[in-house]
Amino acid sequence: RKEVEQDPGPFNVPEGATVAFNCTYSNSASQSFFWYRQDCRKEPKLLMSVYSSGNEDGRFTAQLNRASQYISLLIRDSKLSDSATYLCVVTTGGGNKLTFGTGTQLKVEL
Amino acid sequence: GAVVSQHPSRVICKSGTSVKIECRSLDFQATTMFWYRQFPKQSLMLMATSNEGSKATYEQGVEKDKFLINHASLTLSTLTVTSAHPEDSSFYICSARRASIVNEQFFGPGTRLTVL
Repeated sequence: RKEVEQDPGPFNVPEGATVAFNCTYSNSASQSFFWYRQDCRKEPKLLMSVYSSGNEDGRFTAQLNRASQYISLLIRDSKLSDSATYLCVVTTGGGNKLTFGTGTQLKVEL
Repeated sequence: GAVVSQHPSRVICKSGTSVKIECRSLDFQATTMFWYRQFPKQSLMLMATSNEGSKATYEQGVEKDKFLINHASLTLSTLTVTSAHPEDSSFYICSARRASIVNEQFFGPGTRLTVL
C-alpha cells in the first residue's frame, strides 16, 4: 500500500466549477499535512497547510481528518490557471521527511 | 519567499559519464537539503537528506556510491550521478529547509537529466 494515495485523475471541469480532491495516508504517526501544486515539468509549490480545524485561503479550503487519515482540498470557482497537478504531502520523522502522493491532475476548461 | 536555485536546469549526457547537479539556497542558510527524483507520472521520491558538514542519509534502495551528495556549506549541496545510465534519466529536484522553520521546504526548479 502506498503511504499517500490519491486519485490520479484527470479531473476535467468547466471554469467556475467546484472540485474536490481527496487523499489518504497510511502512517498514523504523520505529523504535518500539505497540499502542493505542481505545473508540468516544474517544481512543486506549497499551496497550503492542512489542519484538523480546516483552513481556507481564498477559493481553496483544506481539511484533515486524523481519525480517518484523510485529507481533502476543495477548489471553488475554478479558473483556467488552476489547471495543474495537486500533490498531497505528509511529513514524518520529526517533520524532516516529506512523503508525496502521486498527485491528482486538474484540467479546467472553457 | 525563500529562493532555491538548481544548476543545470537540463542536461543530456552519454551513458557512463558523471553528472553534477548544484542546489543553492540564495537568500537563507539551509542546514538541511533534500534530494528528490521524479519519474514521469510518478510522485516525488526522496533520495537522500543532506546535512551541512556531515554525511548524507540515503533512503532505502538508493545507492550512495552512485548518487554522491556533498553539502559543504550552508547554501550549497551537490548531487553527482556517477556512471549514469539511461534508467537514471529523471527529474531531480532539491529542496532546502531554513534553520528556523522545521516543516517548510523550499524547492529548486529541478534538473531534467537525460542519459543517452
